[in-house]
Amino acid sequence: IAGITQAPTSQILAAGRRMTLRCTQDMRHNAMYWYRQDLGLGLRLIHYSNTAGTTGKGEVPDGYSVSRANTDDFPLTLASAVPSQTSVYFCASSATRSTGMSDEQFFGPGTRLTVL
Amino acid sequence: AQKITQTQPGMFVQEKEAVTLDCTYDTSDPSYGLFWYKQPSSGEMIFLIYQGSYDQQNATEGRYSLNFQKARKSANLVISASQLGDSAMYFCAMREDNQGGKLIFGQGTELSVKP
Repeated sequence: IAGITQAPTSQILAAGRRMTLRCTQDMRHNAMYWYRQDLGLGLRLIHYSNTAGTTGKGEVPDGYSVSRANTDDFPLTLASAVPSQTSVYFCASSATRSTGMSDEQFFGPGTRLTVL
Repeated sequence: AQKITQTQPGMFVQEKEAVTLDCTYDTSDPSYGLFWYKQPSSGEMIFLIYQGSYDQQNATEGRYSLNFQKARKSANLVISASQLGDSAMYFCAMREDNQGGKLIFGQGTELSVKP
């Protein structure tokens, strides 16, 4: 079934631990994104990648890193988790037209992360 | 400054009535897109409707329509004939084309449909 998968579904993590959230899409979309969703703040962009091999910083990148080794996968790593990173994390992808404008973003089911 | 503002944290509507969810935006980019997403209690983000800044007509998708007033920088979502299943969070988002495909989201409006 075409779409975006995220793993794990949820995780409780001790502060200071390293954690990688996985994201895989099978729609061959060029662009991928990571957002965090916090109550009252909507979704905020953490990092993005317009194509395999490139990444960029979003609105709230501190404490997170990403890589884009291939088209399908876009993992998000918390090198040393802190309680303020407790959130719901969404991965998304979109096709990019030749003009550089992208179509709608398709979202994964989300990962609920709690850092204690 | 907020780029996307949704001023209604929560709204109620009677089943079968129409409801308008407000969204205003702020950009100096002449080329941009506006999106509405629905997030039910199960948590997934569902794309509803899109309006491009150069589109002459207001976008419509089934019971959803977007009331696009460019001069006022507003992109309100209108849901006609509300159904119980429309109860959810609704997010307005903007893509500025000089910024690539990144979306900026509003804080959301929680819609409750009453039977």
